[in-house]
Amino acid sequence: SYVLTQPPSVSVAPGQPATITCGGDDIGSKSVHWYQQKPGQAPVLVVSDESDRPSGIPDRFSGSKSGNTATLTISRVEAGDEADYYCQVWHSGSDHVVFGGGTKVTVL
Amino acid sequence: DVEMVESGGGLVKRGGSLRLSCAASGFTFSNYMMIWVRQAPGKGLEWVSSISSSNNYIYYADSVKGRFTVSRDNRKKSLYLQMNSLRAEDSAVYYCVRQGRGYDEPADYWGQGTLVTVSS
Repeated sequence: SYVLTQPPSVSVAPGQPATITCGGDDIGSKSVHWYQQKPGQAPVLVVSDESDRPSGIPDRFSGSKSGNTATLTISRVEAGDEADYYCQVWHSGSDHVVFGGGTKVTVL
Repeated sequence: DVEMVESGGGLVKRGGSLRLSCAASGFTFSNYMMIWVRQAPGKGLEWVSSISSSNNYIYYADSVKGRFTVSRDNRKKSLYLQMNSLRAEDSAVYYCVRQGRGYDEPADYWGQGTLVTVSS
């Protein structure tokens, strides 16, 4: 089965950038989407297709890909960005939606 | 506004059955793929099932294949998940989620979820 690997946690000081990685075989050929989930709430799409932001999502959120890794970057982290973040792809080989294990972002 | 409202969750004994429903509004339901995603307490997101806009294509996670059945009624703008032979590990919040028109498009709107608890 296809696996997306994320670091369990990232800690960052307010105003500093946070980077969350998502590794997977041949991820460069896939559309990668990122979701933010705050405690007790449903996930929210923050970045789609590596770099597109839905309306209402601040431009502090951006995505990129290089090799077998996709990255979500939050520039100038704020206390309100503290949440779990998940990457997601569609794996055509198995016809499965696949989520990464999630990364907890802690704002120091 | 786009909205999905799930219902049908609750407490069920191991081996029992439950049917989840999702009422969609604010968009042309028949144009979109829909998926179910679940989240066990304290755990990450797990995809459960996908159904294409016209019911032509249906996919399941290996963990639920043969036990769960997804369906939709485009006239009623509703999505369903019939869950049979429930196990303790099926306990989770189940989210009804709108996906785009293609398999690789993002899950752009999520319901608030309905909690399923399977007692052992």
